[in-house]
Amino acid sequence: DSGVTQTPKHLITATGQRVTLRCSPRSGDLSVYWYQQSLDQGLQFLIQYYNGEERAKGNILERFSAQQFPDLHSELNLSSLELGDSALYFCASSAQGGRPNEKLFFGSGTQLSVL
Amino acid sequence: ILNVEQSPQSLHVQEGDSTNFTCSFPSSNFYALHWYRWETAKSPEALFVMTLNGDEKKKGRISATLNTKEGYSYLYIKGSQPEDSATYLCALSNFGNEKLTFGTGTRLTIIP
Repeated sequence: DSGVTQTPKHLITATGQRVTLRCSPRSGDLSVYWYQQSLDQGLQFLIQYYNGEERAKGNILERFSAQQFPDLHSELNLSSLELGDSALYFCASSAQGGRPNEKLFFGSGTQLSVL
Repeated sequence: ILNVEQSPQSLHVQEGDSTNFTCSFPSSNFYALHWYRWETAKSPEALFVMTLNGDEKKKGRISATLNTKEGYSYLYIKGSQPEDSATYLCALSNFGNEKLTFGTGTRLTIIP
């Protein structure tokens, strides 16, 4: 158990809908990362938050948004869903600095299926 | 966009044999190289983070080396066991592009 909690584990929805994925980092970790794993693709970095502020942005679509709350949990909002958004979405956290030489601790992921 | 390549894509190894695989990356502006193990139905788990040229890290039967000048890292598994079956991911960050870029992984299957 990494200590990172993601909910829900599975989500099935229809095209055009909006969903929210939730992540609680390990106790004490200030940095939260969101990654997308699609078929035949590596883990694609979406966005990083550090202590409530956006720190880095990757290949995140404009239909997607995220935020980190004062209690450090994070939410990833996916809207106007398309079939191609079906993927495994991971949240990860790292220790205080949120620097690239820190190990990431991954949650168990949310499997999103858009039908 | 950083190009992180892992080879081979998949590998079958007899239990008890040793094996190794490669992560290749651009050598310029290197910051850190991570290795993760990802077992089926679980989440990726960090094995090593390496930052210095010539770094060698070891965890039980698994070890890794790093060559930042030529842009590669090797992961070695000695005396493979069935529980080593997993996908092994490497990830790179560079100065100026510090977010981790993952390779597509090497899928290792240990044959009992």
